Amino acid sequence: DTGVSQNPRHKITKRGQNVTFRCDPISEHNRLYWYRQTLGQGPEFLTYFQNEAQLEKSRLLSDRFSAERPKGSFSTLEIQRTEQGDSAMYLCASSLQGRDTQYFGPGTRLTVL
Amino acid sequence: AQSVTQLDSQVPVFEEAPVELRCNYSSSVSVYLFWYVQYPNQGLQLLLKYLSGSTLVKGINGFEAEFNKSQTSFHLRKPSVHISDTAEYFCAVTRDTGRRALTFGSGTRLQVQP
Repeated sequence: DTGVSQNPRHKITKRGQNVTFRCDPISEHNRLYWYRQTLGQGPEFLTYFQNEAQLEKSRLLSDRFSAERPKGSFSTLEIQRTEQGDSAMYLCASSLQGRDTQYFGPGTRLTVL
Repeated sequence: AQSVTQLDSQVPVFEEAPVELRCNYSSSVSVYLFWYVQYPNQGLQLLLKYLSGSTLVKGINGFEAEFNKSQTSFHLRKPSVHISDTAEYFCAVTRDTGRRALTFGSGTRLQVQP
């Protein structure tokens, strides 16, 4: 069990650029979640996958955001035309269906200049 | 929908003193409750969880929490804190069926002073 990993750990970009983050869940976990955490706040749910199916998207996930989990293993979160308001920590978590504990990765900190 | 209120944004406490971090939730359905800890520049680590059964749950690092359904609370306690407990603590809730996305509170910063 190597835990949930996320890459990159930090990303600095200019407004208007596209960015992509990757999450590798714990190997046998079939559920994967994305959350966003801004300074001084708790994480907020963005979307989740069961295997390769995206089952739910939050209203926070605007049209500029897209997430994929093509083979039911790793997932990517892409933000197009970044805005300064997108600056946040993006957290990924995974769990096993039928189990209630989500295990979190270290997060990707995005700074949009 | 569920919501979580953490009543204290910061809690300063001296080393070896007891501490209680407060959490209240709101939900129209049955829920599971969690406490996570976040150290600087790290992800969230599960401290403890309540799913069912005994309302007093024990977690890692000497923490415990008590589920009180009538008061819709899930307060976190530790009888004697250490400097290393300095961190951000988040209370979270999820429905006990179906959608399992977590709803978090805004966090409580525990600052342990020597």
